[in-house]
Amino acid sequence: SAVISQKPSRDICQRGTSLTIQCQVDSQVTMMFWYRQQPGQSLTLIATANQGSEATYESGFVIDKFPISRPNLTFSTLTVSNMSPEDSSIYLCSLAGSKRDTQYFGPGTRLTVL
Amino acid sequence: GESVGLHLPTLSVQEGDNSIINCAYSNSASDYFIWYKQESGKGPQFIIDIRSNMDKRQGQRVTVLLNKTVKHLSLQIAATQPGDSAVYFCAENRGYSTLTFGKGTMLLVSP
Repeated sequence: SAVISQKPSRDICQRGTSLTIQCQVDSQVTMMFWYRQQPGQSLTLIATANQGSEATYESGFVIDKFPISRPNLTFSTLTVSNMSPEDSSIYLCSLAGSKRDTQYFGPGTRLTVL
Repeated sequence: GESVGLHLPTLSVQEGDNSIINCAYSNSASDYFIWYKQESGKGPQFIIDIRSNMDKRQGQRVTVLLNKTVKHLSLQIAATQPGDSAVYFCAENRGYSTLTFGKGTMLLVSP
């Protein structure tokens, strides 16, 4: 199975700043996803990142707040813009399996906004 | 909106016991379900899946049961070990490769 890595693994940021999270996969994948996991909560899908087209955002998430890049089939970034303490969460990237039904997750980025 | 949820937020068991974690889903159109295990500080790890044309699937020490009549999913862990301590999530695939996750159950295994 593919190896998924994320950078940074954790960060503490000041409100009003932005953080870009990187997701690297060791093989080419068509579909990648970004999730948010607030403290003690479940996972919520932010957007689907497809190579060669704009990301598809879920209800409640907008591109201005969470811009996503997908420059190639092994890499994606998620930026959390103009951060507030409410953005403190774990951010996870995932990729779709070969049958596009199962997803496999990276280790996550733990973000704390002060 | 439709969602996937869990009955029990925390389950405490003794080592060696069998554990059962439950999940209710509301979207009758979902045709694929997954159980994930998330250990502290890690991303969710795939455990086992089941398609809607099945009612039971077994893995190594784990069994998933699907009852479509009452829209209920369960994960059974046999001979639970301390290493099984984690948060367990069910997820449903509604199509287009997107997953909707349940709220999660914390499993605590005492030696």
